[in-house]
Amino acid sequence: DTAVSQTPKYLVTQMGNDKSIKCEQNLGHDTMYWYKQDSKKFLKIMFSYNNKELIINETVPNRFSPKSPDKAHLNLHINSLELGDSAVYFCASSRDRVTDTQYFGPGTRLTVL
Amino acid sequence: AQSVTQLDSQVPVFEEAPVELRCNYSSSVSVYLFWYVQYPNQGLQLLLKYLSGSTLVKGINGFEAEFNKSQTSFHLRKPSVHISDTAEYFCAVSAMEYGNKLVFGAGTILRVKS
Repeated sequence: DTAVSQTPKYLVTQMGNDKSIKCEQNLGHDTMYWYKQDSKKFLKIMFSYNNKELIINETVPNRFSPKSPDKAHLNLHINSLELGDSAVYFCASSRDRVTDTQYFGPGTRLTVL
Repeated sequence: AQSVTQLDSQVPVFEEAPVELRCNYSSSVSVYLFWYVQYPNQGLQLLLKYLSGSTLVKGINGFEAEFNKSQTSFHLRKPSVHISDTAEYFCAVSAMEYGNKLVFGAGTILRVKS
């Protein structure tokens, strides 16, 4: 009955590789997000999609490409991974209003070696 | 632009003592305010939110927060903490003018000691 799920939970990879993180929500929400939490636990939004359309893109390097095949999924693909990409990536979802609660997934811990 | 400052990076407290976690925000427009909790190795969970109306907001697990517009603050309080409240707490702000974007503070680690 997980509301927002992410796979994988842990991802260890070498610099220069390309990897993807998947996110799915079963809440029927219209809006989905990706956040990055760095080593100091600082959380910052990366992207937001509403009904499969990109609505927020917070000057993230273009090595990061979100893809939303449908309203329930928002995947994050990262090309040419760098050491600085090591972080925990959280997916979240909400209904479409700014006042609506965002529900977070459990996170994906990415380690780039 | 909006920003959130959480004034304490860590707050140690004994079990059953009261606690206050401080949060100040900066914004040129009207805001909505949130407190989220993150238990170790988990995602974030909403504790409470202020949208409008009464400035005292009650949330889950016995937490409450008070919105103070003149002091641009939204401090989180609990009258008696439990060991299980040990976690990191994040204050966040959003505004209609900035879409659904949540801007988070740096977090406060609450350590409850027995």
